[in-house]
Amino acid sequence: GAVVSQHPSWVICKSGTSVKIECRSLDFQATTMFWYRQFPKQSLMLMATSNEGSKATYEQGVEKDKFLINHASLTLSTLTVTSAHPEDSSFYICSASGGLTDTQYFGPGTRLTVL
Amino acid sequence: AQSVSQHNHHVILSEAASLELGCNYSYGGTVNLFWYVQYPGQHLQLLLKYFSGDPLVKGIKGFEAEFIKSKFSFNLRKPSVQWSDTAEYFCAVNPGGSYIPTFGRGTSLIVHP
Repeated sequence: GAVVSQHPSWVICKSGTSVKIECRSLDFQATTMFWYRQFPKQSLMLMATSNEGSKATYEQGVEKDKFLINHASLTLSTLTVTSAHPEDSSFYICSASGGLTDTQYFGPGTRLTVL
Repeated sequence: AQSVSQHNHHVILSEAASLELGCNYSYGGTVNLFWYVQYPGQHLQLLLKYFSGDPLVKGIKGFEAEFIKSKFSFNLRKPSVQWSDTAEYFCAVNPGGSYIPTFGRGTSLIVHP
C-alpha cells in the first residue's frame, strides 16, 4: 500500500523558535496533502489542505501566518510552526491523497513539545 | 456544517465477543465513507471504505461496515474480536465530490484476552 513518512517523529523546542515538519509520500504522487492536529483522547482536527504548487487552504481558526505550509512537489509537503509556544504542543499528522475523493494515507505523526 | 458522530467513546470487550461501533453523519447528499484504525503507538490505517455499490463493505482483518443511507449510518462490525483489535477507531466522511474529510471523535476499543 501507499506509504507516507513524517520527519521528525518527535521534536522538543524552546518557546519562540520555529519548527519544520516534513511529510513525504514515498511511493505515489500526492496531489493533495492534509495537515491535522490531534489532541489527547480527541479526534483529528483538520488544519489545512494543500495542493501541489498552490497555496494551502486553511480551516477556520487556524492561523496561516503561524502554521506555514508548503507543498512544492508531488511528494513533499512541509509544515512550519513559527514562533512556537507551549500551547502549540500537540501531535501533528499529515496525510496524502492521489486525487479528488481518493483515500488518504496517513503519516506516523510528529509529537511537538514546546518548552 | 457537516458532523460525524461516534456514540461509543469507550468499548471494552472480551475476546470472541462481537463488535459493533456506531457512526452517524449529518450530510444529506452523496458521501464517501471511511473507517480508520489507530493501533497503540502506530499511525492511522484505512480499515475499509465505501464510495458506491454494495452497501456492505468488507475490510481488512475481518471487519465490515454497512452503509444505511436512510439512517445516515456506517456502522463497523466484527463477529469475533481479538486482543490485537485493541485500538482507536475513527469514522470519517467526505461529502461527494469533496476531498475534505470530517472525522468522528473516535472510539477506544479494549479487548481483554
